[in-house]
Amino acid sequence: SYEMTQPPSVSVSPGQTASITCSGDKLGKKYVCWYQQKPGQSPVLVIYRDTKRPSGIPERFSGSNSGNTATLTISGTQAMDEADYYCQAWDSTSWVFGGGTKLTVL
Amino acid sequence: QVQLVQSGAEVKKPGASVKVSCKASGHTFTSFDINWVRQATGQGLEWMGWMNPNSGNRGYAEKFQGRVTITSNTSISTAYMELSSLRSEDTAVYYCARGPDNLDAFDVWGQGTMVTVSS
Repeated sequence: SYEMTQPPSVSVSPGQTASITCSGDKLGKKYVCWYQQKPGQSPVLVIYRDTKRPSGIPERFSGSNSGNTATLTISGTQAMDEADYYCQAWDSTSWVFGGGTKLTVL
Repeated sequence: QVQLVQSGAEVKKPGASVKVSCKASGHTFTSFDINWVRQATGQGLEWMGWMNPNSGNRGYAEKFQGRVTITSNTSISTAYMELSSLRSEDTAVYYCARGPDNLDAFDVWGQGTMVTVSS
């Protein structure tokens, strides 16, 4: 079955840029989306189809996908961005999630 | 606004079944796939399966084949996920999520239903 790998944790200082990666075989040939999940809440879609932001998601969230790696970038990271982030992609007959990355803003 | 409202928490004994509901409002229920995702405490998201309420087409993750059944009642805009032969490892929060074709993603999520499996 298809697997996508994320770093367990990423730390960033307020105002700096955070990059969270998601790796998988030929991932660049699939559409990747990203979710933000804060403790006790349901996931929220922040990026879909590699680079697109849903309405209401701040411009500081952006995405890219090429080769074997998709990346979620948060520019000018704010304390409110501290959360778990998950990548997701469709593989033939199943949706697959990455293991998740805890973003700490300190 | 578009919402998915799930049924309340459940406590089940090992070997039993659980059926979680997900009622949609604010959009045309038959126009979108409904997916089910679970999350054990402190763990990541795990996709379980999907169905299209209009066509009735559905698919399940290999891990849950034979144990999960996803259905819907279009007259009340409600989807259901039933998981059988429960074991302690099935203790988790279960989410339903809407999956529009033009997003290749889940844009609306239910609030989650806690299912606890304990003897």
